[in-house]
Amino acid sequence: EVQVVDSGGDVVQPGRSLKLSCSAFGFPFERYGMSWVRQAPGKGLEWVAFIRARGYGGTTHYAASVKGRFTISRDDSKNIASLEMNSLRIEDTALYYCVRLGEDYYTMDVWGKGTTVTVSS
Amino acid sequence: QSALTQPASVSGSPGQSITISCTGTSSDIGNYQYVSWFQHHPGKAPKLLIFDINARPSGISDRFSGSKSDNTASLTISGLQADDEAHYFCASYTTGSTLVFGGGTALTVL
Repeated sequence: EVQVVDSGGDVVQPGRSLKLSCSAFGFPFERYGMSWVRQAPGKGLEWVAFIRARGYGGTTHYAASVKGRFTISRDDSKNIASLEMNSLRIEDTALYYCVRLGEDYYTMDVWGKGTTVTVSS
Repeated sequence: QSALTQPASVSGSPGQSITISCTGTSSDIGNYQYVSWFQHHPGKAPKLLIFDINARPSGISDRFSGSKSDNTASLTISGLQADDEAHYFCASYTTGSTLVFGGGTALTVL
C-alpha cells in the first residue's frame, strides 16, 4: 500500500528547534518529490516546503513564512523525508502533514495523518 | 504569495449540484495546469479529488469535476450526498516555484 507516515511532533518553546520525519512505503521514493503542509488551529491549509526528486535536481522550495528557518531534506537510502524547524515561533503551531508529490511533480496526492507541533512558553 | 480566494461557505440540498470557485492570478492558476482540489473532513487527512484542473484520481466519483477559466478554477459536485459535507481546498503551482492553497470552503448539505 502506498502511504507516508509522519512523526516527530512535540511541544517546544519559542526559539527552539524540532525535526519532523516522514517515512514512505509502497512506492519508489527516490522518483517522487515530497512536501510538507500545515494547518494551524482553526485555519486552512498552508503549504510549507517541497523537495524535488534527485533526478529532477533535488531542489528545495519554501513558503515565505518559513524560508530561512525551516529546511526540508531527503534520504533516498532510507525512504525518509525530513523537515528541520529552527527558531520556532508561536505561529508555527499546527498539524504538519507530509505529502507526496505526484507524477506531474506538483500534485499533492498521498497524505500522511499529520503530526502536531505546539510552540508555547 | 497570497492565498487563492475561495468562498467561505456554500450549501446545497441532497441531490443538487454546487460549484466552488477558486480565484488566483496570472502567476498561479492563470499560468499553469497544476490546479488541484482536496476534500477535508475534520480529524482526517485531506483527500485529493481533482488534479491538473479536471483529472480524477482512481477511485474518486465522477460526481466531482473541475474546470478552469482564466485565473479562476472551479469544483462542481453533482448529486450532493450527506457525506460530501466537509471543507474543500484548491491549490496551484506558482511562478515562484511554490505551491499555494485557497482559504478553504465549508460545504453544508442541508
